[in-house]
Amino acid sequence: EPEVTQTPSHQVTQMGQEVILRCVPISNHLYFYWYRQILGQKVEFLVSFYNNEISEKSEIFDDQFSVERPDGSNFTLKIRSTKLEDSAMYFCASIPVGQTPFFGPGTRLTVL
Amino acid sequence: QQQVKQSPQSLIVQKGGISIINCAYENTAFDYFPWYQQFPGKGPALLIAIRPDVSEKKEGRFTISFNKSAKQFSLHIMDSQPGDSATYFCAASPDSSYKLIFGSGTRLLVRP
Repeated sequence: EPEVTQTPSHQVTQMGQEVILRCVPISNHLYFYWYRQILGQKVEFLVSFYNNEISEKSEIFDDQFSVERPDGSNFTLKIRSTKLEDSAMYFCASIPVGQTPFFGPGTRLTVL
Repeated sequence: QQQVKQSPQSLIVQKGGISIINCAYENTAFDYFPWYQQFPGKGPALLIAIRPDVSEKKEGRFTISFNKSAKQFSLHIMDSQPGDSATYFCAASPDSSYKLIFGSGTRLLVRP
């Protein structure tokens, strides 16, 4: 069964550093999402991406965040200057038309 | 109005018992209501989902009950098993965006 994959599984970085989280969505899916989950809290929507552009973003998704689909397969989330409060699990999800999101296993980001 | 309220926060059930988790929403634009199961260190996995044109959906031991007038929906896990021990999230989305608004999660522990 096809699945969404994410790398790395765990990223440790220093505050102020840039990080790039990578996702490979399921190949025939058209919509792509990033969500995050701070430890012990609920999953929160960050951004949705369709047709090579952002279709919606949350208040959390400020100027420090950006998304890209650089090569038609990978889907990346970049955090330009990480803060302590960016420490969380980041989940990528992809969706075929008319169905529910399929989530990846997540990247655990730890900002020191 | 974008919130989904979930209760209880945690639940302990004996093996073979019924687990019941409740969610409520306010936004009448929501028309898709999935439940996700999450094991530690993993991404949310779709368990079962319902649309508001039906009041109940059953898949194996899992049943969603939906009350459109009360804007509430619940997950029932019949014959609960220790392997069901996980965190359960309800969610809602307006179908047009596929963006999921998650509840705060319920940690279920099924005792042998």
